[in-house]
Amino acid sequence: SAVISQKPSRDICQRGTSLTIQCQVDSQVTMMFWYRQQPGQSLTLIATANQGSEATYESGFVIDKFPISRPNLTFSTLTVSNMSPEDSSIYLCSVVPKASGGAVYNEQFFGPGTRLTVL
Amino acid sequence: KNEVEQSPQNLTAQEGEFITINCSYSVGISALHWLQQHPGGGIVSLFMLSSGKKKHGRLIATINIQEKHSSLHITASHPRDSAVYICAVRSEGGGADGLTFGKGTHLIIQP
Repeated sequence: SAVISQKPSRDICQRGTSLTIQCQVDSQVTMMFWYRQQPGQSLTLIATANQGSEATYESGFVIDKFPISRPNLTFSTLTVSNMSPEDSSIYLCSVVPKASGGAVYNEQFFGPGTRLTVL
Repeated sequence: KNEVEQSPQNLTAQEGEFITINCSYSVGISALHWLQQHPGGGIVSLFMLSSGKKKHGRLIATINIQEKHSSLHITASHPRDSAVYICAVRSEGGGADGLTFGKGTHLIIQP
Protein backbone atom coordinates (compact mmCIF):
# COMPACT_ATOMS: atom_id res chain seq x y z
CA SER A 1 0.00 0.00 0.00
CA ALA A 2 0.98 3.67 -0.04
CA VAL A 3 0.24 6.49 2.38
CA ILE A 4 -0.18 9.83 0.66
CA SER A 5 -0.19 13.26 2.26
CA GLN A 6 -1.16 16.51 0.57
CA LYS A 7 -0.52 20.09 1.58
CA PRO A 8 -2.45 22.26 2.01
CA SER A 9 -5.62 20.36 2.86
CA ARG A 10 -7.69 23.38 1.90
CA ASP A 11 -7.21 26.99 0.88
CA ILE A 12 -9.19 30.04 -0.11
CA CYS A 13 -7.46 32.15 -2.73
CA GLN A 14 -8.01 35.36 -4.62
CA ARG A 15 -8.59 35.49 -8.35
CA GLY A 16 -5.39 35.88 -10.35
CA THR A 17 -3.08 34.30 -7.77
CA SER A 18 -1.40 30.88 -7.90
CA LEU A 19 -1.35 27.97 -5.47
CA THR A 20 1.11 25.09 -5.28
CA ILE A 21 -0.13 21.79 -3.88
CA GLN A 22 2.35 19.24 -2.59
CA CYS A 23 1.98 15.46 -2.67
CA GLN A 24 4.27 13.25 -0.58
CA VAL A 25 4.20 9.44 -0.60
CA ASP A 26 5.72 7.20 2.04
CA SER A 27 7.22 4.79 -0.50
CA GLN A 28 8.57 4.84 -4.02
CA VAL A 29 5.87 4.64 -6.65
CA THR A 30 5.88 4.07 -10.39
CA MET A 31 3.02 6.32 -11.38
CA MET A 32 1.78 9.59 -9.93
CA PHE A 33 -1.34 11.32 -11.19
CA TRP A 34 -3.13 14.57 -10.49
CA TYR A 35 -6.93 14.75 -10.63
CA ARG A 36 -9.49 17.50 -10.36
CA GLN A 37 -12.98 17.03 -9.01
CA GLN A 38 -15.27 19.97 -9.66
CA PRO A 39 -18.35 20.34 -7.46
CA GLY A 40 -20.87 17.58 -8.13
CA GLN A 41 -18.68 15.98 -10.80
CA SER A 42 -16.61 12.84 -11.07
CA LEU A 43 -12.82 12.82 -11.05
CA THR A 44 -11.01 14.13 -14.12
CA LEU A 45 -7.39 13.28 -14.80
CA ILE A 46 -5.25 16.40 -15.25
CA ALA A 47 -1.88 14.84 -15.94
CA THR A 48 0.64 12.13 -15.22
CA ALA A 49 3.61 13.42 -13.25
CA ASN A 50 6.81 12.01 -14.77
CA GLN A 51 9.94 11.80 -12.70
CA GLY A 52 12.64 14.09 -13.98
CA SER A 53 10.76 15.18 -17.09
CA GLU A 54 7.74 17.16 -18.20
CA ALA A 55 4.33 15.93 -17.14
CA THR A 56 1.95 14.35 -19.64
CA TYR A 57 -1.26 16.36 -19.82
CA GLU A 58 -4.73 15.16 -20.73
CA SER A 59 -6.84 16.91 -23.30
CA GLY A 60 -8.06 20.25 -22.02
CA PHE A 61 -5.20 20.80 -19.57
CA VAL A 62 -2.00 22.71 -20.34
CA ILE A 63 1.34 23.18 -18.64
CA ASP A 64 1.04 26.96 -18.40
CA LYS A 65 -2.10 26.64 -16.29
CA PHE A 66 -1.14 23.53 -14.30
CA PRO A 67 2.66 23.25 -14.07
CA ILE A 68 3.72 20.00 -12.40
CA SER A 69 7.02 18.90 -10.96
CA ARG A 70 8.18 15.47 -9.88
CA PRO A 71 11.80 15.61 -8.76
CA ASN A 72 11.88 12.06 -7.34
CA LEU A 73 9.82 8.88 -6.89
CA THR A 74 7.99 10.04 -3.76
CA PHE A 75 7.16 13.73 -4.28
CA SER A 76 5.25 15.91 -6.74
CA THR A 77 3.73 19.37 -6.88
CA LEU A 78 0.83 20.78 -8.87
CA THR A 79 0.47 24.54 -9.30
CA VAL A 80 -2.85 26.10 -10.22
CA SER A 81 -1.88 29.33 -11.95
CA ASN A 82 -3.73 32.58 -12.47
CA MET A 83 -6.75 31.19 -10.67
CA SER A 84 -10.37 31.99 -11.42
CA PRO A 85 -13.53 30.89 -9.58
CA GLU A 86 -13.88 28.05 -12.15
CA ASP A 87 -10.75 26.48 -10.63
CA SER A 88 -12.58 25.90 -7.35
CA SER A 89 -12.33 22.13 -6.98
CA ILE A 90 -10.84 19.31 -5.00
CA TYR A 91 -7.39 18.42 -6.33
CA LEU A 92 -6.23 14.86 -5.67
CA CYS A 93 -2.87 13.19 -5.98
CA SER A 94 -2.93 9.47 -6.77
CA VAL A 95 -0.21 6.84 -7.05
CA VAL A 96 0.42 3.32 -8.25
CA PRO A 97 3.01 1.60 -6.05
CA LYS A 98 5.91 -0.29 -7.53
CA ALA A 99 4.91 -3.72 -8.81
CA SER A 100 5.37 -6.62 -6.46
CA GLY A 101 4.57 -10.29 -6.66
CA GLY A 102 4.24 -10.18 -10.44
CA ALA A 103 0.98 -8.22 -10.31
CA VAL A 104 0.14 -6.58 -13.62
CA TYR A 105 -2.40 -4.07 -12.43
CA ASN A 106 -1.54 -2.68 -9.06
CA GLU A 107 -4.09 -0.97 -6.91
CA GLN A 108 -4.20 2.79 -7.20
CA PHE A 109 -4.17 4.90 -4.05
CA PHE A 110 -5.57 8.37 -3.60
CA GLY A 111 -4.52 11.21 -1.37
CA PRO A 112 -6.69 13.17 1.07
CA GLY A 113 -7.25 15.94 -1.46
CA THR A 114 -6.85 19.70 -1.42
CA ARG A 115 -10.08 21.66 -1.37
CA LEU A 116 -9.53 24.93 -3.24
CA THR A 117 -11.93 27.84 -3.25
CA VAL A 118 -11.22 30.80 -5.51
CA LEU A 119 -13.03 34.05 -4.77
CA LYS B 1 -14.19 4.94 -24.21
CA ASN B 2 -15.93 3.19 -21.36
CA GLU B 3 -19.19 4.56 -19.98
CA VAL B 4 -19.69 4.03 -16.27
CA GLU B 5 -23.13 4.38 -14.73
CA GLN B 6 -23.87 4.22 -11.03
CA SER B 7 -27.20 3.84 -9.31
CA PRO B 8 -28.71 5.21 -7.28
CA GLN B 9 -27.23 8.72 -7.39
CA ASN B 10 -28.47 9.43 -3.88
CA LEU B 11 -29.51 7.03 -1.14
CA THR B 12 -30.76 7.74 2.36
CA ALA B 13 -31.31 4.81 4.71
CA GLN B 14 -31.73 4.05 8.37
CA GLU B 15 -28.97 2.65 10.52
CA GLY B 16 -28.82 -1.13 10.29
CA GLU B 17 -30.23 -1.40 6.78
CA PHE B 18 -28.59 -3.48 4.07
CA ILE B 19 -27.26 -1.17 1.34
CA THR B 20 -26.65 -1.98 -2.32
CA ILE B 21 -24.94 0.35 -4.80
CA ASN B 22 -24.72 -0.64 -8.44
CA CYS B 23 -22.21 0.05 -11.19
CA SER B 24 -22.48 -0.87 -14.86
CA TYR B 25 -20.02 -0.25 -17.65
CA SER B 26 -20.09 -0.52 -21.42
CA VAL B 27 -16.75 -2.02 -22.49
CA GLY B 28 -14.67 -4.95 -21.23
CA ILE B 29 -12.37 -4.10 -18.34
CA SER B 30 -9.28 -5.48 -16.63
CA ALA B 31 -10.27 -4.33 -13.14
CA LEU B 32 -12.91 -2.41 -11.24
CA HIS B 33 -12.33 -0.21 -8.20
CA TRP B 34 -14.75 0.81 -5.49
CA LEU B 35 -13.71 4.03 -3.77
CA GLN B 36 -15.08 5.88 -0.76
CA GLN B 37 -14.92 9.67 -0.60
CA HIS B 38 -15.41 11.37 2.73
CA PRO B 39 -16.96 14.84 3.10
CA GLY B 40 -13.50 16.40 3.35
CA GLY B 41 -12.64 15.12 -0.13
CA GLY B 42 -10.10 12.39 0.61
CA ILE B 43 -10.57 9.11 -1.20
CA VAL B 44 -10.03 5.63 0.21
CA SER B 45 -9.73 2.59 -2.00
CA LEU B 46 -12.15 -0.07 -0.77
CA PHE B 47 -11.77 -2.84 -3.32
CA MET B 48 -10.09 -3.70 -6.57
CA LEU B 49 -11.59 -6.74 -8.28
CA SER B 50 -11.59 -8.39 -11.67
CA SER B 51 -13.85 -11.37 -10.94
CA GLY B 52 -16.04 -12.92 -8.29
CA LYS B 53 -16.48 -11.41 -4.89
CA LYS B 54 -14.45 -9.73 -2.16
CA LYS B 55 -15.36 -9.05 1.47
CA HIS B 56 -13.84 -6.69 3.99
CA GLY B 57 -15.64 -6.33 7.29
CA ARG B 58 -19.20 -5.20 6.56
CA LEU B 59 -18.42 -4.42 2.93
CA ILE B 60 -18.90 -6.87 0.07
CA ALA B 61 -18.12 -6.22 -3.59
CA THR B 62 -19.19 -8.46 -6.44
CA ILE B 63 -18.60 -8.32 -10.16
CA ASN B 64 -20.20 -10.09 -13.11
CA ILE B 65 -17.88 -9.73 -16.07
CA GLN B 66 -20.38 -11.16 -18.59
CA GLU B 67 -23.07 -8.70 -17.55
CA LYS B 68 -20.58 -5.81 -17.12
CA HIS B 69 -21.97 -5.07 -13.69
CA SER B 70 -20.70 -4.73 -10.14
CA SER B 71 -22.39 -4.18 -6.80
CA LEU B 72 -21.15 -2.84 -3.50
CA HIS B 73 -23.05 -4.02 -0.44
CA ILE B 74 -22.90 -2.68 3.10
CA THR B 75 -24.34 -4.86 5.85
CA ALA B 76 -25.56 -3.44 9.18
CA SER B 77 -25.07 0.11 7.91
CA HIS B 78 -23.90 2.80 10.33
CA PRO B 79 -23.90 6.61 10.17
CA ARG B 80 -20.11 6.53 9.73
CA ASP B 81 -20.71 4.80 6.38
CA SER B 82 -22.15 8.08 5.09
CA ALA B 83 -19.96 9.08 2.15
CA VAL B 84 -19.82 9.17 -1.63
CA TYR B 85 -19.06 5.78 -3.16
CA ILE B 86 -17.36 5.87 -6.54
CA CYS B 87 -16.97 3.08 -9.07
CA ALA B 88 -13.97 3.27 -11.40
CA VAL B 89 -13.09 0.84 -14.18
CA ARG B 90 -9.72 0.16 -15.71
CA SER B 91 -9.79 -0.40 -19.47
CA GLU B 92 -8.17 0.73 -22.68
CA GLY B 93 -9.02 4.27 -23.70
CA GLY B 94 -9.50 5.46 -20.15
CA GLY B 95 -6.67 7.99 -20.19
CA ALA B 96 -3.09 7.61 -19.06
CA ASP B 97 -4.27 6.17 -15.75
CA GLY B 98 -6.57 3.73 -17.55
CA LEU B 99 -9.45 4.68 -15.28
CA THR B 100 -12.97 5.87 -16.04
CA PHE B 101 -14.92 7.09 -13.03
CA GLY B 102 -18.61 7.00 -12.26
CA LYS B 103 -20.26 10.10 -10.85
CA GLY B 104 -20.66 8.51 -7.44
CA THR B 105 -23.47 7.50 -5.12
CA HIS B 106 -24.11 9.83 -2.22
CA LEU B 107 -25.07 7.67 0.76
CA ILE B 108 -26.54 9.02 4.00
CA ILE B 109 -27.18 6.67 6.91
CA GLN B 110 -29.46 8.18 9.52
CA PRO B 111 -29.25 7.08 13.16
